[in-house]
Amino acid sequence: DAKTTQPNSMESNEEEPVHLPCNHSTISGTDYIHWYRQLPSQGPEYVIHGLTSNVNNRMASLAIAEDRKSSTLILHRATLRDAAVYYCILRDVDSGNTPLVFGKGTRLSVIA
Amino acid sequence: KAGVTQTPRYLIKTRGQQVTLSCSPISGHRSVSWYQQTPGQGLQFLFEYFSETQRNKGNFPGRFSGRQFSNSRSEMNVSTLELGDSALYLCASSPRQGPPHTYGYTFGSGTRLTVV
Repeated sequence: DAKTTQPNSMESNEEEPVHLPCNHSTISGTDYIHWYRQLPSQGPEYVIHGLTSNVNNRMASLAIAEDRKSSTLILHRATLRDAAVYYCILRDVDSGNTPLVFGKGTRLSVIA
Repeated sequence: KAGVTQTPRYLIKTRGQQVTLSCSPISGHRSVSWYQQTPGQGLQFLFEYFSETQRNKGNFPGRFSGRQFSNSRSEMNVSTLELGDSALYLCASSPRQGPPHTYGYTFGSGTRLTVV
């Protein structure tokens, strides 16, 4: 799987939008962009994934750059419960059922 | 729908002992993956079982082993424990059907192993 680069940490005020960036300059055409997050004392949980188009679900939105070399996870209104480590992961459709490979992620702090 | 259940939640073992951890996946999920999480190395993949067969394996010594039963429940075993094996061990279940991008993984809350 291609590598991703994320900032080590970010901080946000409660009830404000948060934009979590991810760079993946060596992404291939068959790589899907997946986001997981890990809340304190819990296992990671799936957030969202996409290929080329922007994606929305009840948890977040995923904005993918036109050249696909970067993407941004958007939390529209951060709450204290969104404080977690966020992981951006690439999954190659053609590589078979390979495991998820986690990087260091971005630790998001939310200030009340 | 019940989530992924890992038992026990906490465990303290002495160096040299062995330990067995258990994971019950979501009903209908046939794949179980195991991860080790430490502050220094982050989340590292151990192995994956699907239909009672190991399908993928990470870069861990042979002291780490696992198995999967016909009901998809999985166990992992660590023999001759070392202090460095102290970690949070997480398991994740998935349906593992179709292309990888079509399914996600559901993780349990983990087993916190402390080796003294």
